[in-house]
Amino acid sequence: SAVISQKPSRDICQRGTSLTIQCQVDSQVTMMFWYRQQPGQSLTLIATANQGSEATYESGFVIDKFPISRPNLTFSTLTVSNMSPEDSSIYLCSVAGDNYGYTFGSGTRLTVV
Amino acid sequence: GENVEQHPSTLSVQEGDSAVIKCTYSDSASNYFPWYKQELGKRPQLIIDIRSNVGEKKDQRIAVTLNKTAKHFSLHITETQPEDSAVYFCAASSSGGGADGLTFGKGTHLIIQP
Repeated sequence: SAVISQKPSRDICQRGTSLTIQCQVDSQVTMMFWYRQQPGQSLTLIATANQGSEATYESGFVIDKFPISRPNLTFSTLTVSNMSPEDSSIYLCSVAGDNYGYTFGSGTRLTVV
Repeated sequence: GENVEQHPSTLSVQEGDSAVIKCTYSDSASNYFPWYKQELGKRPQLIIDIRSNVGEKKDQRIAVTLNKTAKHFSLHITETQPEDSAVYFCAASSSGGGADGLTFGKGTHLIIQP
């Protein structure tokens, strides 16, 4: 399965600022996915990033708040913009490997103060 | 969109006993159903998955069953061990092959009592 490197692993940010999270995959993948996991909760899909086109956002998530870049088949970034304490979560990227299996990055633990 | 319900939210079993976690889904187009194990502070790890053309799949102490007519699938863990303690998530996807992301259940906190 694909190996995903995600960074930063954690950060503490001031409200009103933005943080960009990077995800690097060791093989070319068509789709990359971004999830949010709020404290003690399940994972929620934020958006799907397809190289060469605009990301597709799930209900409740908008591009202005979570802009995504996908410059090539191995890399993507998610920015959390104009942060508030409610954005404190773990953010994970994911890719689909062969035979359907989805692999996750190690996550970025974001705390907004 | 897809909605996945998962029960129970917490499950405590004696070491050596079996554990069963159940999920239901709403979208009849869903065709891929993975189960993830997440230990505290770690990423979710795929432990088993099943596709819609299969009714049951087994991997050592872990098995998954799927009933497409009833839209439910279950995780079975036999001979539970302390290292099985974790949060387990079921999920569903309507495309398979990675074109769409996963919709997750709310999770089950499995506690193995020694």
